[in-house]
Amino acid sequence: KQEVTQIPAALSVPEGENLVLNCSFTDSAIYNLQWFRQDPGKGLTSLLLIQSSQREQTSGRLNASLDKSSGRSTLYIAASQPGDSATYLCAVRLETDSWGKFQFGAGTQVVVTP
Amino acid sequence: DTEVTQTPKHLVMGMTNKKSLKCEQHMGHRAMYWYKQKAKKPPELMFVYSYEKLSINESVPSRFSPECPNSSLLNLHLHALQPEDSALYLCASSQTTSLETQYFGPGTRLLVL
Repeated sequence: KQEVTQIPAALSVPEGENLVLNCSFTDSAIYNLQWFRQDPGKGLTSLLLIQSSQREQTSGRLNASLDKSSGRSTLYIAASQPGDSATYLCAVRLETDSWGKFQFGAGTQVVVTP
Repeated sequence: DTEVTQTPKHLVMGMTNKKSLKCEQHMGHRAMYWYKQKAKKPPELMFVYSYEKLSINESVPSRFSPECPNSSLLNLHLHALQPEDSALYLCASSQTTSLETQYFGPGTRLLVL
């Protein structure tokens, strides 16, 4: 069974610092990996989707890398801002999945202080 | 328009009530999902609809009854719920059940008394 782990569970940084969020998964036979952001009591916003054949994806200040063989993905957020405060979740889909079933990590709760 | 809408935003119901949650998207997506999320936990998949047909039921109790009346609309009918069913219920959609990004709605916060 695929297990997805996110470390650390919580992170607090001063504004302007770079954020590094980690996601690891036990089964490397994945279809893709997606990073989401969730504000308290709200739905999920997709940040980046990395296909299994890709090594990284970038969008603005966000960069996500994927090392499928070692079962790891890292989300980098450059020059953090207070508006980046949220919970960040990673989710993976297995190659054998045909039904859009994501396995989510428990998330990293980020606080960026002004 | 990459929006998934959900109504109501909040719902309080007693254990004998019958209520429904509604989810709508107008992106032409043919896959729609219901998730349940407890506080400080990741979302858990409940149901998957593909081309208006129920494809996945993740062993959800029968007091939750999904319905997909058309390609844009997904309902979740609730009956005889328990207090432990209190949670954030999220709807999502994607082009198909294949590789694409899932777009999530804002959720319905449900409290069962």
